[in-house]
Amino acid sequence: SQQGEEDPQALSIQEGENATMNCSYKTSINNLQWYRQNSGRGLVHLILIRSNEREKHSGRLRVTLDTSKKSSSLLITASRAADTASYFCATDDNDMRFGAGTRLTVKP
Amino acid sequence: DTAVSQTPKYLVTQMGNDKSIKCEQNLGHDTMYWYKQDSKKFLKIMFSYNNKELIINETVPNRFSPKSPDKAHLNLHINSLELGDSAVYFCASSSRVNEQFFGPGTRLTVL
Repeated sequence: SQQGEEDPQALSIQEGENATMNCSYKTSINNLQWYRQNSGRGLVHLILIRSNEREKHSGRLRVTLDTSKKSSSLLITASRAADTASYFCATDDNDMRFGAGTRLTVKP
Repeated sequence: DTAVSQTPKYLVTQMGNDKSIKCEQNLGHDTMYWYKQDSKKFLKIMFSYNNKELIINETVPNRFSPKSPDKAHLNLHINSLELGDSAVYFCASSSRVNEQFFGPGTRLTVL
């Protein structure tokens, strides 16, 4: 089995700054997904990028995928305090694997 | 409208007890999952069912038994609970494109 591994484990920034989180994985995938988890709540799906895509945008989110390096990045632009959460990447090679997440804190 | 619901939200019980966690989804998805999230926030898949049939069964103790009475439900029954079973358990469902929708989680504490 494989899992996405997020980096850094924790990130603290000021409101308005950009936040970049990275994810690495080990084997071939069908797609990679990013999720957000607010403290004490369930996971919320953010964005899915397929293995034949290199970049995808959704609102203030930008995801890149480099299958040659087996890595992905999630960029949140113009961060807000409400973006404070844990962010998980998950890879799909027929079943889902999650990493331990990046804890993002956005200070007002 | 609730998409994926789990009950109970919190469960505190003694070692050795048998307990069940229920999961229901109203999204019409064919596939449902159970995940365990440990204290380090790492999520690990336990089971996956597709149309009531087991398709993933990771290496979990056979004290854990999933039961799917129909496509919209996947319940998790745990026998002889142990301290190490304490965790948050997430149920999820997905359509064919594998975009998963998660329930709010059930925090299980074994004393």
